[in-house]
Amino acid sequence: QVQLVQSGAEVKKPGASVKVFCKASGYTFTDYAIHWVRQAPGQRLECMGWINAGNGKTESSQKFQGRVTITRDTSASTAYMELSSLRSEDTAVYYCAREAVDYDAFDIWGQGTMVTVS
Amino acid sequence: SYELTQPPSVSVSPGQTASITCSGDKLGDKYACWYQQKPGQSPVVVIYEDSKRPSGIPERFSGSNSGNTATLTISGTQAMDEADYYCQAWDSSIAEVFGGGTKLTVL
Repeated sequence: QVQLVQSGAEVKKPGASVKVFCKASGYTFTDYAIHWVRQAPGQRLECMGWINAGNGKTESSQKFQGRVTITRDTSASTAYMELSSLRSEDTAVYYCAREAVDYDAFDIWGQGTMVTVS
Repeated sequence: SYELTQPPSVSVSPGQTASITCSGDKLGDKYACWYQQKPGQSPVVVIYEDSKRPSGIPERFSGSNSGNTATLTISGTQAMDEADYYCQAWDSSIAEVFGGGTKLTVL
């Protein structure tokens, strides 16, 4: 079935970087965009950026520009999100989500990756 | 930056109708969608393009969007509908923005 499987929980020190992967299966990876969304404890969902898995074009939210790098490996049907210069406020669950091709919404979500900065 | 505002909480009795609002400047000119998120789970889209339901979403979920407000309506609310609900706006001029979320309590 169509699914996105993310890497496991991470614990990082302030100032370090974290790289989360999102492996797609059950569909043609390059036909869709993958977005990264985070949710800090008790907070709203927050878009970080996205990548067109077909042509590799990326865009990131102004809030994260300079700190977030989104890439993909088409041979592995996997998208990656790396966040640098981590601080305690980056403690959150990080989700990848597929943008539906026929409508404006995220139709498939990964299970989430908990990143703790401490 | 563009902002979406939701009430923090809404309560409803089982079998009754729940309405959750989402307000933003000229939101009616954009597409709105709604996600349901249960504790410890990833969000699931329940409404897209203002009023359309993805396959597998019960008919009791409906949506509308006009002026500055989008509304998610759950008719005949069931205990299983208790969750957090987030609205999201889509427009080429803004990044995809989420509302602050509404906790729906069925009591």
